[in-house]
Amino acid sequence: DSGVTQTPKHLITATGQRVTLRCSPRSGDLSVYWYQQSLDQGLQFLIQYYNGEERAKGNILERFSAQQFPDLHSELNLSSLELGDSALYFCASSPPRGGEAFFGQGTRLTVV
Amino acid sequence: DQQVKQNSPSLSVQEGRISILNCDYTNSMFDYFLWYKKYPAEGPTFLISISSIKDKNEDGRFTVFLNKSAKHLSLHIVPSQPGDSAVYFCAARGDKIIFGKGTRLHILP
Repeated sequence: DSGVTQTPKHLITATGQRVTLRCSPRSGDLSVYWYQQSLDQGLQFLIQYYNGEERAKGNILERFSAQQFPDLHSELNLSSLELGDSALYFCASSPPRGGEAFFGQGTRLTVV
Repeated sequence: DQQVKQNSPSLSVQEGRISILNCDYTNSMFDYFLWYKKYPAEGPTFLISISSIKDKNEDGRFTVFLNKSAKHLSLHIVPSQPGDSAVYFCAARGDKIIFGKGTRLHILP
């Protein structure tokens, strides 16, 4: 158990809909990262937050947005969903000093 | 533009022998390198890391080597065990953590 909690574990929704994925980082970690893993692909970096502020951005679509709240949990919002958004979405957190990131178990999103 | 490359999609190694997984990177600004292990439908599990100021880090059966001049790092697993069969991701940290596409390691009995 990495200490990073993601909910829900599975999500099935229709095209055009909007969903919210939630991540609780490890206690004491200030950074939260979001990654997308499509079928047989690597981990694509989406976005990073540090203590509530956006720190770095990757190949995140405009239909996607994220935020980190004062209690440090983070949410990834995916809207106008398309079939191609079906993927595993992972959240990771890392401590203030940096170094390694620890991953949650992921949310499997299926868009039908 | 792939900044972290794992050129071998898969690797098969006999149980008990050494597994060597390779990774190349392009960005000299990376200051920290990490290896993760991943089973299907699970999150990546952190294995071992190395700072850019070092050339070797060892933890039990796992050793990571960094060659900065060649922008190359490798993960050595010795001896390889059946439970090591998984996908291994190399990652590099600059202003964000970038992952390679992974290498699927099969440990043969």
